Amino acid sequence: QQQVKQSPQSLIVQKGGIPIINCAYENTAFDYFPWYQQFPGKGPALLIAIRPDVSEKKEGRFTISFNKSAKQFSLHIMDSQPGDSATYFCAAARSSNTGKLIFGQGTTLQVKP
Amino acid sequence: DVKVTQSSRYLVKRTGEKVFLECVQDMDHENMFWYRQDPGLGLRLIYFSYDVKMKEKGDIPEGYSVSREKKERFSLILESASTNQTSMYLCASRPSGGTDTQYFGPGTRLTVL
Repeated sequence: QQQVKQSPQSLIVQKGGIPIINCAYENTAFDYFPWYQQFPGKGPALLIAIRPDVSEKKEGRFTISFNKSAKQFSLHIMDSQPGDSATYFCAAARSSNTGKLIFGQGTTLQVKP
Repeated sequence: DVKVTQSSRYLVKRTGEKVFLECVQDMDHENMFWYRQDPGLGLRLIYFSYDVKMKEKGDIPEGYSVSREKKERFSLILESASTNQTSMYLCASRPSGGTDTQYFGPGTRLTVL
């Protein structure tokens, strides 16, 4: 019940395409759903996050769609660029003082020029 | 800017050695975390600490211990390194309350021969 399942494991798109990464969770107590972006040789960094009181959140070219009833959320990258090539992790948490996150398995995205 | 530093980027150790991985954060965060990152498995939580001298087991604590004597420093200890502990180790920190964002260090790639 603590797992977050992420798919696909890898994704290749052409520049300008819209890659979509999906995540599913079981624990209905989760109320915070972030996406982290990791470039080679770097630690993950927060990209965008959503709480279950909204169904969509946009920041620049990145959009999270959230479906509370299906217990699923996804990341869409509009007009993808080669610089978006990275590993993306979804995560889920129950808001608390410690902020313990449960991460998905990760998706390696390659955007071809 | 929050800065999380890890003592080594690359480390090679022999089976049976005691290994220390150090993490330091400069933002007075209460919470600190140690993860290991393996392809296809995402980030898995080893241990976390919500205050000096306080620690809790994560999802995969076996073979590891931690120490937090000062607020800014969180150490991961491999008591007797084994080849299955070859991995990327990531440290993160987060303040109590407020944003749930975790701030990651660049990681230590540990190889156990």
